[in-house]
Amino acid sequence: ETGVTQSPTHLIKTRGQQVTLRCSSQSGHNTVSWYQQALGQGPQFIFQYYREEENGRGNFPPRFSGLQFPNYSSELNVNALELDDSALYLCASSAGQGANLGANVLTFGAGSRLTVL
Amino acid sequence: AQSVTQLGSHVSVSEGALVLLRCNYSSSVPPYLFWYVQYPNQGLQLLLKYTTGATLVKGINGFEAEFKKSETSFHLTKPSAHMSDAAEYFCACLNTGNQFYFGTGTSLTVIP
Repeated sequence: ETGVTQSPTHLIKTRGQQVTLRCSSQSGHNTVSWYQQALGQGPQFIFQYYREEENGRGNFPPRFSGLQFPNYSSELNVNALELDDSALYLCASSAGQGANLGANVLTFGAGSRLTVL
Repeated sequence: AQSVTQLGSHVSVSEGALVLLRCNYSSSVPPYLFWYVQYPNQGLQLLLKYTTGATLVKGINGFEAEFKKSETSFHLTKPSAHMSDAAEYFCACLNTGNQFYFGTGTSLTVIP
């Protein structure tokens, strides 16, 4: 069983640019969530995708958007990058919808570290 | 609204000493609670979870946590710290919308 993989692992962008981060979910998982982890902070929920549709969103502006594909992989897109977007972006997959809520567990990837200059 | 609060952003213990990391939850309904560990430059790994049933939950690497409704707490413990336990620990809750909310984390240092 493969885990969650994310790419790229590190990247540097400048203010105003756009970035796309990618995530392959764990086999058997149909739900993907994205989190932003700023330095010294806990992960903050960005949004969640189930069956290719956004299924919950945290307190992030619309310039944070995403996609989920039929194979349950996902992308996170951030437009008009700001300095405060510098963070570790974590993707997590889970059995999600359709599974017993109490059995739900997030499996995390190692993250993509974004630096905005 | 459901949330968790971790008390103490940094905890230092001697090798072999008891580890106690504190987490309190705020919830209007019985919560699902989790502890995750994050090693440097890695993603988060599940240590243990509480959903229903037994209030003392055992996890990996010798960690355990006890759900105490009367205290709205879910503290993480390990009887004897090992150097390899040095990491960042996050308490989290799962809301009925199937969304996880994490605490701000506690950095554990183990002193030889």
